[in-house]
Amino acid sequence: SQQGEEDPQALSIQEGENATMNCSYKTSINNLQWYRQNSGRGLVHLILIRSNEREKHSGRLRVTLDTSKKSSSLLITASRAADTASYFCATDARGAQKLVFGQGTRLTINP
Amino acid sequence: NAGVMQNPRHLVRRRGQEARLRCSPMKGHSHVYWYRQLPEEGLKFMVYLQKENIIDESGMPKERFSAEFPKEGPSILRIQQVVRGDSAAYFCASYIGGAGINEQFFGPGTRLTVL
Repeated sequence: SQQGEEDPQALSIQEGENATMNCSYKTSINNLQWYRQNSGRGLVHLILIRSNEREKHSGRLRVTLDTSKKSSSLLITASRAADTASYFCATDARGAQKLVFGQGTRLTINP
Repeated sequence: NAGVMQNPRHLVRRRGQEARLRCSPMKGHSHVYWYRQLPEEGLKFMVYLQKENIIDESGMPKERFSAEFPKEGPSILRIQQVVRGDSAAYFCASYIGGAGINEQFFGPGTRLTVL
């Protein structure tokens, strides 16, 4: 079964607005991580939230985790054109030693 | 401390040829993962290796694909007799190992194009 499904698949907003992306997963996890990928490039690690944490901040990023609903959200505040990229959540499932990625959200910030 | 290195960054092969992708993990990291990303999709786990051992190859196709991580040198992902469907970006990630958070550091990827 698919683990780490993001929604929406694509999101287009104006510069300065906030962007919210969601991720759902199916199994128990140790932690959940968010990555950014610019077109044709590698992955940049953004933030990691452990299963016993509910919220975490890093600069303009805010991540929440609800283990009862098996979901997470990534909020980017005051978006900039440079935030245009694909964003992926990845779960580190208990008992597994690999990351399971979702399909990603393609975020476009319009100037 | 250099990050995860992959080479080549771009590789073009004709159908039937072999592709060899290399990954040098971060210094001190003895665990390597390989992932494949098809266009417009997320990364899919292929194989997890420690030095000289394959720990989990549940994501590897049964035929034509193999991986190794020798005692000395980089990890190699080898694809024999490539087909057009093998065209993808292949990412390597390394992990220091041990108990605790499985924080993986990703390389820039190798983009394989099969003509």
